[in-house]
Amino acid sequence: GAGVSQTPSNKVTEKGKYVELRCDPISGHTALYWYRQSLGQGPEFLIYFQGTGAADDSGLPNDRFFAVRPEGSVSTLKIQRTERGDSAVYLCASSLMQATGELFFGEGSRLTVL
Amino acid sequence: GENVEQHPSTLSVQEGDSAVIKCTYSDSASNYFPWYKQELGKGPQLIIDIRSNVGEKKDQRIAVTLNKTAKHFSLHITETQPEDSAVYFCAAGAGFKTIFGAGTRLFVKA
Repeated sequence: GAGVSQTPSNKVTEKGKYVELRCDPISGHTALYWYRQSLGQGPEFLIYFQGTGAADDSGLPNDRFFAVRPEGSVSTLKIQRTERGDSAVYLCASSLMQATGELFFGEGSRLTVL
Repeated sequence: GENVEQHPSTLSVQEGDSAVIKCTYSDSASNYFPWYKQELGKGPQLIIDIRSNVGEKKDQRIAVTLNKTAKHFSLHITETQPEDSAVYFCAAGAGFKTIFGAGTRLFVKA
């Protein structure tokens, strides 16, 4: 498809487990973003990639969260030692360049930590 | 940093009526204000945006107004239809500096 693809769409895990969420951006988009959306809230910024490098990770809540984008396309958000408070929808977005404005979002990965 | 406040949190209108959602922002340096629509189980999708050198922008039944002096902007939907029912987010900033409001859940009753 032509849009941003995220897998899995739903993930249920137990407290303390490790989780990986994957994002495949729109082809040719150099900028990739991860957001977290809690119930009834707007998306909150986590991390931004320009190409392969994390240009800004100021939104990551703590060192249990990490993300990579090794080839400048697909990105993986990794969460270690999950906690119940990590339960949320994790949204990935991409854009042609960082400064263009419009963000193209995927449908999100809903993470539930039991 | 930027802070965006959005009101109301919930809005219910009759089909055919107008709906207005209002937002304020704190950073006077912000110059890009997008509005996103999020349907159930989907990601947010841009419906209209406005830049700081413009006071109003229209696209069919949707319009956005911006008052830079007062640091507030509004979304206006006219002739609402059931398919307009969704959560709407205002935002300020571009790219990774986009800060979202908390959202307005719009219900359009047929």
